[in-house]
Amino acid sequence: NAGVTQTPKFRILKIGQSMTLQCTQDMNHNYMYWYRQDPGMGLKLIYYSVGAGITDKGEVPNGYNVSRSTTEDFPLRLELAAPSQTSVYFCASSSGGAHEQYFGPGTRLTVT
Amino acid sequence: GQNIDQPTEMTATEGAIVQINCTYQTSGFNGLFWYQQHAGEAPTFLSYNVLDGLEEKGRFSSFLSRSKGYSYLLLKELQMKDSASYLCAVSLYGNNRLAFGKGNQVVVIP
Repeated sequence: NAGVTQTPKFRILKIGQSMTLQCTQDMNHNYMYWYRQDPGMGLKLIYYSVGAGITDKGEVPNGYNVSRSTTEDFPLRLELAAPSQTSVYFCASSSGGAHEQYFGPGTRLTVT
Repeated sequence: GQNIDQPTEMTATEGAIVQINCTYQTSGFNGLFWYQQHAGEAPTFLSYNVLDGLEEKGRFSSFLSRSKGYSYLLLKELQMKDSASYLCAVSLYGNNRLAFGKGNQVVVIP
């Protein structure tokens, strides 16, 4: 199993550009999550999904969108990138209940 | 809302024991996780407590007191590879969301 994979690993965007961060898991997990982590800070939840076709906002959803058309994939869309979105983005998945979340390797995004 | 508090940094000597504390105030508590995060890497799971008491797993132990809103992670026989950030995360009842603290940076010196 590859676990949770994310692409790209690094990206530099100009202000106002858009991009999609890809996330795929091969563990057949129903629950998937997107977090952002700023330097010296914990993880903040952006969006999450409890199954295909179902998504919901987390703590910091503004400026982002998600979709969940399959169990495996949970892409995160940034529209009109802003410098405040410079961060490391982690995708995670879980089998639900109170089970541990498995994290992807992260995407380091810089908006200038 | 949730409030999760951890001290920010500590330094300890190789071979020593270090205790990392976490206090929390949340609604709908469904357990507490500890994750380890090395610099530039993703968090990895260390432990999970849902009942009061101590859970031991090799060199790592985790304790929970639900009435006090308090947990700690105990690292024994510290090794250089234990230099990392340790994240406390509360599982919120109903949708398996995690609310993370800011993390405690542990630096192990020879």
